[in-house]
Amino acid sequence: DTGVSQDPRHKITKRGQNVTFRCDPISEHNRLYWYRQTLGQGPEFLTYFQNEAQLEKSRLLSDRFSAERPKGSFSTLEIQRTEQGDSAMYLCASSLSANEKLFFGSGTQLSVL
Amino acid sequence: GNSVTQMEGPVTLSEEAFLTINCTYTATGYPSLFWYVQYPGEGLQLLLKATKADDKGSNKGFEATYRKETTSFHLEKGSVQVSDSAVYFCALTPNQAGTALIFGKGTTLSVSS
Repeated sequence: DTGVSQDPRHKITKRGQNVTFRCDPISEHNRLYWYRQTLGQGPEFLTYFQNEAQLEKSRLLSDRFSAERPKGSFSTLEIQRTEQGDSAMYLCASSLSANEKLFFGSGTQLSVL
Repeated sequence: GNSVTQMEGPVTLSEEAFLTINCTYTATGYPSLFWYVQYPGEGLQLLLKATKADDKGSNKGFEATYRKETTSFHLEKGSVQVSDSAVYFCALTPNQAGTALIFGKGTTLSVSS
């Protein structure tokens, strides 16, 4: 059990560029979640997967955001045409199933200049 | 809607002092309640949870009781240590199906020796 891994740890990009983050959950964890956290705030839910199916998306997830989990293992979160307001820590978490505790990764810190 | 309100920090205490971090919630139905902790440089970790009214969650000397009548889930510890310095997040899931966590803004605890 190596924990939830996120890559990269930091990403600096210019406004208008596309970025993609990767999350590797704990193996055999069926559920995978994406959250966003800004300074001084708690994590805000973005979306989650049960295996490869995306079951819920927050209203926060604009059409510039897309997430995939093609084989029910790792997941990617892509942000197109980044804006300065997208600057935040993007957190990934996984759990064995519903009602099981979430294990969080260390996050990807995005800075949009 | 569903929401969590935590006392604002930072909370600054001396070692061995008593800790209370207040948390109240708004939810429809019967939520499950959680406290997560984020130590410096680490990812969020589940500290304790309670899934029904009057349940008491406990871990590492921390306790919280699910109070439906006051919609509260206050975190307490009788004697804090320097190693307890972290950010503490109260959270809920709106129903028993284990869908996405809704977090409070977090309370920073700083313990000095």
